[in-house]
Amino acid sequence: GESVGLHLPTLSVQEGDNSIINCAYSNSASDYFIWYKQESGKGPQFIIDIRSNMDKRQGQRVTVLLNKTVKHLSLQIAATQPGDSAVYFCAENRYSGAGSYQLTFGKGTKLSVIP
Amino acid sequence: EAGVVQSPRYKIIEKKQPVAFWCNPISGHNTLYWYLQNLGQGPELLIRYENEEAVDDSQLPKDRFSAERLKGVDSTLKIQPAELGDSAVYLCASSLRTFGGEQFFGPGTRLTVL
Repeated sequence: GESVGLHLPTLSVQEGDNSIINCAYSNSASDYFIWYKQESGKGPQFIIDIRSNMDKRQGQRVTVLLNKTVKHLSLQIAATQPGDSAVYFCAENRYSGAGSYQLTFGKGTKLSVIP
Repeated sequence: EAGVVQSPRYKIIEKKQPVAFWCNPISGHNTLYWYLQNLGQGPELLIRYENEEAVDDSQLPKDRFSAERLKGVDSTLKIQPAELGDSAVYLCASSLRTFGGEQFFGPGTRLTVL
């Protein structure tokens, strides 16, 4: 079936190092992807998005890479800080017809930053 | 600007009891979503509203779940009767529009059914 999934459930990194969180998707027709950050007790928070006509997009300390050939995207966080500790979800914003889109989330990767 | 507001934040009930969750979206956001999030999982869409109209409720278990957004602003999600398996976090989100619009999430209501 079609799904959005993550390679690793947990990731521990040293403060100051770079973090890379991976995500695989199976729907080749997907044209829009979003990364969300969810801290404990809070709702998901938008980090960065990317459309399928792009390979890379950069934000503040974050970069998303999209490889359509292997249906893979990644989130890179530079100089990881303790405040980056959270669960990260990739989500696929899939067109569901009649001008509507549906957001489908993967399982999530828990990032722990070691001081 | 206030974000998406949800209440209550926590709710503990016994099985077979009814429960209701309330959501106030960001002002001006026409699209409102209710999601279910199980522990360790990503949110799953239950229902989406465009103003007061439910335009996607295919994932809502209609035998026990109901939702309304009467005036196109606040929304209520109800479960009656609740079952043990309904224990989860119920998230509300809103966006300006459905087409590629960024969804802003509330803090969620954590439901525990005993």
